[in-house]
Formats: sequence, structure tokens, C-alpha cells
Amino acid sequence: KNQVEQSPQSLIILEGKNCTLQCNYTVSPFSNLRWYKQDTGRGPVSLTIMTFSENTKSNRRYTATLDADTKQSSLHITASQLSDSASYICVVSESSASKIIFGSGTRLSIRP
Amino acid sequence: GAVVSQHPSWVICKSGTSVKIECRSLDFQATTMFWYRQFPKQSLMLMATSNEGSKATYEQGVEKDKFLINHASLTLSTLTVTSAHPEDSSFYICSAPGQKLKQETQYFGPGTRLLVL
Repeated sequence: KNQVEQSPQSLIILEGKNCTLQCNYTVSPFSNLRWYKQDTGRGPVSLTIMTFSENTKSNRRYTATLDADTKQSSLHITASQLSDSASYICVVSESSASKIIFGSGTRLSIRP
Repeated sequence: GAVVSQHPSWVICKSGTSVKIECRSLDFQATTMFWYRQFPKQSLMLMATSNEGSKATYEQGVEKDKFLINHASLTLSTLTVTSAHPEDSSFYICSAPGQKLKQETQYFGPGTRLLVL
């Protein structure tokens, strides 16, 4: 069964600190993996898109990694800001059926 | 960049009434759009895939007669919640696939919050 699991479920860190969110998946055949940020009451916004051949991709203070062998991805946030408080969702696309599978998300709270 | 809009952004209705939610791709065409429902502190749950010019494909457990989907054009899909009940209160989000940096990605609408009294 295709699944996407994220950890931790929730995380609280102080402003300015770094953090890493994890995403493990069992989706096969794999097409791509995306990280989204969803503010409360808003639709998700894409942060990064990674295909099978990409190991690392950065977008400002966000750095995503992908290990296609172990089927793991991480999202590292550097020098966190209060505006980073949101849910971060890992989404994996299955190429054969054009299906997308959502992780349950990590709720990140940044404290001043 | 690609933008997806939804209307209305929030709606309050009486139990038993029907509510229509619109999803538009503003600067690109989408032959397929997706409708999701999200309950508080939970992830998005795919409800159905809207196909322009043909019937929508519903996920298991989603009643097609209750959640009517119409993909009227390449830029518009509508979701109608018929005979809404309080348990239908949720956050409804649509998305449309587009191209970003030559890779397909999903562009999400801002969501519609439905409250059924």
C-alpha cells in the first residue's frame, strides 16, 4: 500500500533555531516528492519539488533532501522565523496511476 | 506564476441547503482539477478528481450524489454540497496541476471554509 508518513506530528522551537522534518514513503513507482507549507485556513503552497535523481534542493531558508534508495526525505528550516509557523506537508506522486499521496503533515510552531 | 482561486472563501448555511464552491485556474488551463476536504488538525483528504468534459472520479467513501462536481470549462470546476448537514462542515480545497520549472506540480486554491448550522 502506498503510504507517506511524516514525523514529528508537531514541533515547537524557538525563533532563530533550526529544525528538520522527516518524510518516509513507500510509494512505488515513484515520480516526485514535494514539500508544501500550509498556513492555518489557507491552501498549501509549494516549497520544493524533487525527482528521483535529485538529492538536495534549496529554496531560501528551506532545504529538502531526498534519498530514493531508503525512500526518505527531509525538510530543513534554517534560522526559523515566526512566519514559519504552519503545517508542512510531504506529498509523493506515483507515476503509474498519476496519483498523489499526502502525508499527515507536521505542525510547526515557532515561539518568540 | 500559476494561480488557483476559490469562491467563496467562507460560507455559512442552514442544514438541508446546497452550497456551490467554485475553483478557477486564473492563468492556465486545467483539464483536471482535484477536490479535497480537510478537517481541523488533519491532512488533506482527496474527495474526487474533476475531469473537463467528462464525469468526475470519486474516491472510495465519497458520495457522488451528495458532492456534485462539474468541470464546465478548462478553467472552472465546481463542487456542490447538496443537502448539507453539520458533519459536512469542513475546509474544502481544490488544486490543479501545472508546470513549475518544467516539472508538474499542484497549485492549490486558498480553500473554502464551510459551516453548516
